[in-house]
Amino acid sequence: DAGVIQSPRHEVTEMGQEVTLRCKPISGHNSLFWYRQTMMRGLELLIYFNNNVPIDDSGMPEDRFSAKMPNASFSTLKIQPSEPRDSAVYFCASSPRRGGLDTQYFGPGTRLTVL
Amino acid sequence: GQQLNQSPQSMFIQEGEDVSMNCTSSSIFNTWLWYKQDPGEGPVLLIALYKAGELTSNGRLTAQFGITRKDSFLNISASIPSDVGIYFCAGRKETSGSRLTFGEGTQLTVNP
Repeated sequence: DAGVIQSPRHEVTEMGQEVTLRCKPISGHNSLFWYRQTMMRGLELLIYFNNNVPIDDSGMPEDRFSAKMPNASFSTLKIQPSEPRDSAVYFCASSPRRGGLDTQYFGPGTRLTVL
Repeated sequence: GQQLNQSPQSMFIQEGEDVSMNCTSSSIFNTWLWYKQDPGEGPVLLIALYKAGELTSNGRLTAQFGITRKDSFLNISASIPSDVGIYFCAGRKETSGSRLTFGEGTQLTVNP
């Protein structure tokens, strides 16, 4: 079975540009998570969805970040405008059900560099 | 910010040695997970623990959910070069829904 799919794997952009990261969760999973990983702060949860509905976005850094999940098989994380401090690896993860005995499965990540 | 204290931060061992790492917290967790991350890849789930005192094995890996529900450890027996990577613990609190809290990671280096 295909795991979590993320695109692009690498993105290099200039400060001020809009960046869109994409994620396809594992089929049948109904929870989706966006994480950011940096050396300084480790793995941070940005936002997660259950059944396409945002449940907890308290980790979203600021209004420049937005996430959508228009259907069960697709989600985007958008940064507009991007800044150098947004440079990090962004992971998407999915989970088979909400709460309880669920576990999260991670995608390969998108390495974002903002110049 | 991080609420899990993971130790050690790094380990340098010889092939064949056993390895032990742990995570502790001042908070109670009702799920503990252990992940491994290879360079350039996402974390891969190794072991999931759901009950206090639970001891679970996955090949050469063994993990335990602490009785107090505030800690967990991971042991790797007879290490091999492909065990190299960063190991993360993660916990879920009963009140946090699906949110996981991650440890800072243990960087493991295995010398052949």
